[in-house]
Amino acid sequence: GQQLNQSPQSMFIQEGEDVSMNCTSSSIFNTWLWYKQEPGEGPVLLIALYKAGELTSNGRLTAQFGITRKDSFLNISASIPSDVGIYFCAGQSVNAGNMLTFGGGTRLMVKP
Amino acid sequence: DGGITQSPKYLFRKEGQNVTLSCEQNLNHDAMYWYRQDPGQGLRLIYYSQIVNDFQKGDIAEGYSVSREKKESFPLTVTSAQKNPTAFYLCASSIEPTGSYGYTFGSGTRLTVV
Repeated sequence: GQQLNQSPQSMFIQEGEDVSMNCTSSSIFNTWLWYKQEPGEGPVLLIALYKAGELTSNGRLTAQFGITRKDSFLNISASIPSDVGIYFCAGQSVNAGNMLTFGGGTRLMVKP
Repeated sequence: DGGITQSPKYLFRKEGQNVTLSCEQNLNHDAMYWYRQDPGQGLRLIYYSQIVNDFQKGDIAEGYSVSREKKESFPLTVTSAQKNPTAFYLCASSIEPTGSYGYTFGSGTRLTVV
């Protein structure tokens, strides 16, 4: 099936630092989504991207739909302790029957 | 408030027993999904349903069964045939089958075999 390679798998950063993570695939995607999952809870949608090159912000979070349509990036500026969680990318592709494919997640830990 | 509700939050199962996890949504979403998440891992699709009275196997359907008799409900049964059922189970729904507007997730059920 479709695969989304998400990296890094985990990050341990100091409060105030900026964070970058990305998802890549060998397939073209029509939609990219970024989710955050807090411990013991379900993922919550952060940002949705629908056009190649699109750059969208949600507070301190900024995500981009790669121009090749095979990748997406999420940046978090000035991290705070409540940013802790697992961040998942998800992509929608015709090749996957238009279903969402999820990346393996990036576990973010923030040291106060 | 509209949302998707999973119950129970924690469930313990003895080996050899079947258990059913509940998932209810009042979002009027057509499609519903079940995912399994193991510690430190991503989401793996068990079953999905794009319309009432129809459902499809996902990547890891063996040992699981579902039904979709009502639009609002998509219960998952973990059968005794599932050899390693201990995991976090997530139910999700989407307004349309492609999920291009994203999935709304429940808060999960943690199943432990004792």
